[in-house]
Amino acid sequence: DGGITQSPKYLFRKEGQNVTLSCEQNLNHDAMYWYRQDPGQGLRLIYYSQIVNDFQKGDIAEGYSVSREKKESFPLTVTSAQKNPTAFYLCASSIGTSGTSYEQYFGPGTRLTVT
Amino acid sequence: SQQGEEDPQALSIQEGENATMNCSYKTSINNLQWYRQNSGRGLVHLILIRSNEREKHSGRLRVTLDTSKKSSSLLITASRAADTASYFCATGSYSGGGADGLTFGKGTHLIIQP
Repeated sequence: DGGITQSPKYLFRKEGQNVTLSCEQNLNHDAMYWYRQDPGQGLRLIYYSQIVNDFQKGDIAEGYSVSREKKESFPLTVTSAQKNPTAFYLCASSIGTSGTSYEQYFGPGTRLTVT
Repeated sequence: SQQGEEDPQALSIQEGENATMNCSYKTSINNLQWYRQNSGRGLVHLILIRSNEREKHSGRLRVTLDTSKKSSSLLITASRAADTASYFCATGSYSGGGADGLTFGKGTHLIIQP
């Protein structure tokens, strides 16, 4: 799991509540990413950040928000506007700012269940 | 939309045999990466192969890339029980918002029978 920590490992929430997933890295990486994985599926990009105080939407950003106030932290908030929030959420980082040119290091993931 | 598509979806072989997984993609790429995911865990990077490379090795792993066919293969030689995992290929992702992340296929689930 490298130098990326995600907490908590399991998270349960009631429908209509916002929830924030934590992601911290001590690798001194510039870029950080959030992905969503559904059962039997690949990963889909939610948000991406190249530098502090800057982030960009990925393929499925609707219903999610992020912040990047510190280089080592990239929290993801799943809002009540997200229609199907139950999923496995993975945070990653890379040393460079081009996600296609550098390997990404992944955290252990947070499994979110919303009922 | 998914850029990479792995084939087969699932593969079961005996320990010691070789395992081959394939990945096809749709648009031009700068490079392609392979990752492994053990059940319920994060992904681990295996190999990155650039578009000007045709083959790359790392231990028991061999990756090939054919840009004319937009395809890549991952070969695991002398498989071990610990190789049981899902394997994903990943290519660059450029969404309408301009994000620069990776797009993953659905993966190949590899089971090594002891």
